[in-house]
Amino acid sequence: AQSVTQLGSHVSVSEGALVLLRCNYSSSVPPYLFWYVQYPNQGLQLLLKYTTGATLVKGINGFEAEFKKSETSFHLTKPSAHMSDAAEYFCAVTDYYGNNRLAFGKGNQVVVIP
Amino acid sequence: DVKVTQSSRYLVKRTGEKVFLECVQDMDHENMFWYRQDPGLGLRLIYFSYDVKMKEKGDIPEGYSVSREKKERFSLILESASTNQTSMYLCASSASGRVGGELFFGEGSRLTVL
Repeated sequence: AQSVTQLGSHVSVSEGALVLLRCNYSSSVPPYLFWYVQYPNQGLQLLLKYTTGATLVKGINGFEAEFKKSETSFHLTKPSAHMSDAAEYFCAVTDYYGNNRLAFGKGNQVVVIP
Repeated sequence: DVKVTQSSRYLVKRTGEKVFLECVQDMDHENMFWYRQDPGLGLRLIYFSYDVKMKEKGDIPEGYSVSREKKERFSLILESASTNQTSMYLCASSASGRVGGELFFGEGSRLTVL
């Protein structure tokens, strides 16, 4: 079964600084990887995803992530944090054979400090 | 826009009550999911359905059941609510046949069991 590890439940970043959220996955088959964001009192929305092809994936709101098979990682970055980036971020993995059944990490609560 | 609608944003129930959480999607998606979200635990899959009248257990099905009589509607049922079922419940849907396809989430139903 697939699984995802996200370390550091709370992440504080200064406005304008780099945002880096780490995600490591475990999968016995080629994975599909996702980052979702959840703003307060809302559901989750897709930031970006990796299925096949280019390993550097660009998403919405200036976020990007790189799939590194050798490191089993899919870290999320944004060069310059904005106050509006304060939210909870979830990494998720699924396998080729699933009905889009995702396994989620425990999430990172991002706080942006002015 | 894809819309997943959860009937109640906030519910307060008493121990032992039967609770129905309703979810409706308007995109003709085959797959529907119920997740439970708790702080520090991320999202955990309760049940999912890939077709009308079909259901499969997720990671934490105990104490829950589901119903899918129509393609657009997926209901989560707590037969006898308990305090440890106080949580945020998220419904999601996705199209079948699109491996790596996106999950679309509702805004969540926050259930408090007293």
